Amino acid sequence: DTAVSQTPKYLVTQMGNDKSIKCEQNLGHDTMYWYKQDSKKFLKIMFSYNNKELIINETVPNRFSPKSPDKAHLNLHINSLELGDSAVYFCASSLRGLSGNTIYFGEGSWLTVV
Amino acid sequence: QQQVKQSPQSLIVQKGGISIINCAYENTAFDYFPWYQQFPGKGPALLIAIRPDVSEKKEGRFTISFNKSAKQFSLHIMDSQPGDSATYFCAARGNTPLVFGKGTRLSVIA
Repeated sequence: DTAVSQTPKYLVTQMGNDKSIKCEQNLGHDTMYWYKQDSKKFLKIMFSYNNKELIINETVPNRFSPKSPDKAHLNLHINSLELGDSAVYFCASSLRGLSGNTIYFGEGSWLTVV
Repeated sequence: QQQVKQSPQSLIVQKGGISIINCAYENTAFDYFPWYQQFPGKGPALLIAIRPDVSEKKEGRFTISFNKSAKQFSLHIMDSQPGDSATYFCAARGNTPLVFGKGTRLSVIA
């Protein structure tokens, strides 16, 4: 069973559209994250939720809105998509809040904006 | 400002050789230093990690060396194999989320 699963894996969409990426973890973790990996492979945290509460919100355009309906799910909604949003978005989770040891990543959602 | 600096960007090693990737950090509050391995089309996966109270940790062919005074740590892959070809990320955290280095693309050639 996949520990951190995210859908869709691939997404091609036009500029200006709104899209969502869903994430679920079955590890019983209390903290979930969204990371963005750009074309140069740089991994940067976007958001973090602990027990459904937003605890980290890096400098991300407010077109990006995370939503955590429960501890096991963290979805990412993106409004008015721009070319520069093209990247791989990774959902991740860990135990014990920000000081959790191992972060487990999903396989990524490859977003291409045309 | 990049909190963890990783080098080299890319590395080519002969099969059976030793791969060495280096990282340096500034924040003395960091207390956990993992290395992640990422294969194409996959998410990063924890490879090995170390805390600053030890200077070395070994798991199979993978060893982390840690120098607290120099604020540096490195990953050594002994007897490198073609299956080790991947991108490697060092990372660090204190009371903050993990911050990652920019990654090293390792190619092990036969």
